[in-house]
Amino acid sequence: AQSVTQLGSHVSVSEGALVLLRCNYSSSVPPYLFWYVQYPNQGLQLLLKYTTGATLVKGINGFEAEFKKSETSFHLTKPSAHMSDAAEYFCAVSAWGNTGNQFYFGTGTSLTVIP
Amino acid sequence: GAGVSQSPRYKVAKRGQDVALRCDPISGHVSLFWYQQALGQGPEFLTYFQNEAQLDKSGLPSDRFFAERPEGSVSTLKIQRTQQEDSAVYLCASSGSGGAITEAFFGQGTRLTVV
Repeated sequence: AQSVTQLGSHVSVSEGALVLLRCNYSSSVPPYLFWYVQYPNQGLQLLLKYTTGATLVKGINGFEAEFKKSETSFHLTKPSAHMSDAAEYFCAVSAWGNTGNQFYFGTGTSLTVIP
Repeated sequence: GAGVSQSPRYKVAKRGQDVALRCDPISGHVSLFWYQQALGQGPEFLTYFQNEAQLDKSGLPSDRFFAERPEGSVSTLKIQRTQQEDSAVYLCASSGSGGAITEAFFGQGTRLTVV
């Protein structure tokens, strides 16, 4: 079975500061990993994903994440926060399991950017 | 269509009423997922279809919830005898992958309010 844990349901950073949103996963098979962003009253938008290959992946809006198998982590970072980054962020894991596709989300991290 | 379309966007139901939520996935997409997202929470998996086959319904919270995708395209999530705890946003996602998901596209969701 697969699962995702996001540490910190709320994160506040100052504008221009580093953003670090944590995600740890549990998977019995090699996972695919994703970060999605959700703005108020909007659907989920893909930020970036890791499937195979390079473990450091770059996404939209200056975000990046690094897959660390030894730490079972896929933390999301951005060097300099912008006011428009304020949103809800969800980490997700995908794997092919006994019943076919499994695509599960963490509980989310709400990012506040302080001017 | 260009993206995943869900209807209605908003639904208010009286407790005990039956509701039907529709999802039009991206044309040709094999995989389709339904999620329930309560206020301030992450999307919770409900059910998964591969074409017309419902391969996983382990997330459906009770036998009042029923989903179908009879022709492998449009899907309907039906909730019978709605209860207040059913109030949530219901998200649909589709993917062209028949194997492990490498990317999933989300609709805007249907916000169900049970009064």
